Amino acid sequence: EAQVTQNPRYLITVTGKKLTVTCSQNMNHEYMSWYRQDPGLGLRQIYYSMNVEVTDKGDVPEGYKVSRKEKRNFPLILESPSPNQTSLYFCASRPTGEGQPQHFGDGTRLSIL
Amino acid sequence: GQNIDQPTEMTATEGAIVQINCTYQTSGFNGLFWYQQHAGEAPTFLSYNVLDGLEEKGRFSSFLSRSKGYSYLLLKELQMKDSASYLCAASGYSSASKIIFGSGTRLSIRP
Repeated sequence: EAQVTQNPRYLITVTGKKLTVTCSQNMNHEYMSWYRQDPGLGLRQIYYSMNVEVTDKGDVPEGYKVSRKEKRNFPLILESPSPNQTSLYFCASRPTGEGQPQHFGDGTRLSIL
Repeated sequence: GQNIDQPTEMTATEGAIVQINCTYQTSGFNGLFWYQQHAGEAPTFLSYNVLDGLEEKGRFSSFLSRSKGYSYLLLKELQMKDSASYLCAASGYSSASKIIFGSGTRLSIRP
């Protein structure tokens, strides 16, 4: 089944404790992206990647890192999480080409205390 | 900035028709996506318009006017399961372009 898989789905942690949210897709998509979703603000892009070893900042990259060592994986790293990073996070992938819809993972709800 | 505006909330009656509007600044944007998102779930793709006009897909239709920076999603024969948030998102001209999402419209369907 074609899918984008995120882990963990839920995490409660404390300020400053490094964490990684994994994202994997099995559709051989070139483009992958991370979003956070907050009430009233919609989906905001954190980072995106056009292909292996190519990553770029989105609209809200501060406090986050990503890597794209393999085509299928695009982990999101919070080196020193803070409470303002408490949010619902979505990973998405799509093929390159205009108008290609994104396929979203099921989301990861992070709470930073 | 790059603004995409849509109403925050709407309510409609089962069996009726509802139109959800989305406006965006035209500069730098080419096409317009609509996604549906049920509470606590991932967004799912509904439609993509790059040409002006109306595209129909079953009970859902989407309209785009590029010159006016205006789109709408039309939902017919509303069902209770259509209660969800509807997100419009504008995309740029190339496959590398960012996609900017609106804040979403939460649609509630009453019996």
